[in-house]
Amino acid sequence: SQELEQSPQSLIVQEGKNLTINCTSSKTLYGLYWYKQKYGEGLIFLMMLQKGGEEKSHEKITAKLDEKKQQSSLHITASQPSHAGIYLCGADIQGAQKLVFGQGTRLTINP
Amino acid sequence: EADIYQTPRYLVIGTGKKITLECSQTMGHDKMYWYQQDPGMELHLIHYSYGVNSTEKGDLSSESTVSRIRTEHFPLTLESARPSHTSQYLCASSKQHTEAFFGQGTRLTVV
Repeated sequence: SQELEQSPQSLIVQEGKNLTINCTSSKTLYGLYWYKQKYGEGLIFLMMLQKGGEEKSHEKITAKLDEKKQQSSLHITASQPSHAGIYLCGADIQGAQKLVFGQGTRLTINP
Repeated sequence: EADIYQTPRYLVIGTGKKITLECSQTMGHDKMYWYQQDPGMELHLIHYSYGVNSTEKGDLSSESTVSRIRTEHFPLTLESARPSHTSQYLCASSKQHTEAFFGQGTRLTVV
């Protein structure tokens, strides 16, 4: 079973609209990381969340960590074509000695 | 900017050949990882290392091997390449409980 579940797996939004991507862990989170990937390239680190209730922003992208729900959400405000790509969450979770990743969310921005 | 490098970026090779994918990082990170990723699909961990002389198999069964003789170097070797090995291979490194930094990836095609 997947230790990190991302939803949705695919998302198509019109330029200018807001959107949210969720990442839920089946176990206690020690650290949650968001990455973005362009097709055929490596992963670019966006931000790290470690404490319950923590919220971080990078340009128009905001991520929050809900420790009780063992969940993080990534929110993009007023989406732009440059936001298109695959977003992946990764985490240090209880019982795992390695970094685990969700399945990824493919985001398409339509003009 | 992350100081982790993968070579080559692209490789086309014939079936049965032995290949080594190189990964080097200059950040002094103890943890290093190899992931396999098909286009637009999720990351699959194939090998990881906690430090020099430590290597572990990941979640995805792989016919590859790795070595960690130096902190900065984590090469991946395929003794006999097959078309089923065609994929993108991503290397990453991290400290304990911090974000991982990824290389640009090696796109391998076995013909």
